[in-house]
Amino acid sequence: GAVVSQHPSWVICKSGTSVKIECRSLDFQATTMFWYRQFPKQSLMLMATSNEGSKATYEQGVEKDKFLINHASLTLSTLTVTSAHPEDSSFYICSARDELTSWQGGTDTQYFGPGTRLTVL
Amino acid sequence: AQSVTQPDIHITVSEGASLELRCNYSYGATPYLFWYVQSPGQGLQLLLKYFSGDTLVQGIKGFEAEFKRSQSSFNLRKPSVHWSDAAEYFCAVSAGNNRKLIWGLGTSLAVNP
Repeated sequence: GAVVSQHPSWVICKSGTSVKIECRSLDFQATTMFWYRQFPKQSLMLMATSNEGSKATYEQGVEKDKFLINHASLTLSTLTVTSAHPEDSSFYICSARDELTSWQGGTDTQYFGPGTRLTVL
Repeated sequence: AQSVTQPDIHITVSEGASLELRCNYSYGATPYLFWYVQSPGQGLQLLLKYFSGDTLVQGIKGFEAEFKRSQSSFNLRKPSVHWSDAAEYFCAVSAGNNRKLIWGLGTSLAVNP
């Protein structure tokens, strides 16, 4: 259980185009999902918290208009990198939080997707 | 402010040797603590977590971790390392109502045959 999928696993695009990345929780519902960015040999940098049915909460320094987040259902959040440029090339990782506690039958834990490698030419 | 420190950036051990990865945290309330592993080309996998109760927690792949409140530590251990354990290990503490994770910088583990 507790599987999170991410699509695509890798994408190459031209500078100026937009790229959409999907994150799905396959066997649990997630009101809250998270989007991270990871640079080579570094830790995860939280970009934003995606809230189902409401606006995402962005971390300081992350451009809202650049990284559009939509959390339209309890199992799907999308990250759109708009007008991508080479400096946006990175490894993007999503996670979904199983918010149910153990006595509710859940785990109250974040589960991670496999990541999306974005290369902007 | 909440923070997580993993003092060791890189560790090399021989296969079959014991392993301890250090993690110290700073958090005002009772922490929810996690260890995740990231293998090359793979996503982050939860090894174990501590929420409450027994301070020694068992995880997958033979790992365990001990929560020590007095030392603000949550060190990860394994009695005998396998070559397949070579990976990046991240310690994290959960904060806030939405359980945002505060991450350490990670420890890269190499295993010599």
